[in-house]
Amino acid sequence: EVVMTQSPATLSVSPGERVTLSCRASQSVGSDLAWYQQKLGQAPRLLIYDASTRATGIPARFSGSGSGTEFTLIISSLQSEDFAVYYCQQYSYWPPLTFGGGTKVEIK
Amino acid sequence: QVQLVESGGGLVKPGGSLRLSCAASGFTFSDYYMTWIRQAPGKGLEWVAYISNSGNTVYSADSVKGRFTISRDNAKNSLFLQMSSLRAEDTAVYYCARDQGLLPHFDCWGQGTLVAVSS
Repeated sequence: EVVMTQSPATLSVSPGERVTLSCRASQSVGSDLAWYQQKLGQAPRLLIYDASTRATGIPARFSGSGSGTEFTLIISSLQSEDFAVYYCQQYSYWPPLTFGGGTKVEIK
Repeated sequence: QVQLVESGGGLVKPGGSLRLSCAASGFTFSDYYMTWIRQAPGKGLEWVAYISNSGNTVYSADSVKGRFTISRDNAKNSLFLQMSSLRAEDTAVYYCARDQGLLPHFDCWGQGTLVAVSS
């Protein structure tokens, strides 16, 4: 099973700041990685797939990068609606599909 | 618009059974692979089960293997999760989600249905 590790667990940020979230895989997953955003009480929403491709309707301030075992989600200028929990998911070696534990982005 | 609506959750005793449904609309359901993902209260996301568009191929997590069965009815645009021998640790919000493409990542999610296993 590929273990996904996200860091940090919580990030305290002010609106307008640049945010960098990390996701590490226990073995190489190539570019088979997705990022999701989950707001409180809502279902997750796909942000990024194939490590760097924005999903339909996702603003350009969200960008993904990385390959192999190290991945990054960047929010270039945090908006109020971006406070949420972010999860990465690998789909290179499955089953099982595996998610990271999440990074909570909260208001500083 | 593309929509997934889960139903069938509720309170069940340990060892009991429950069948979740997911009604799909706004897209050609039979073209898409589908999955169930769950989220225990205050916890992260856990993949549960996955089914091909035809229903011929299914996969499930070890934690539910032999107890949960994923299925679908393409004529009724519906996805199902039959859950039996339920345990307290199965308590979670269960989401159905649509696989966007050839490899499993999920571009459309339902609102979730809560399953609570308790005596």
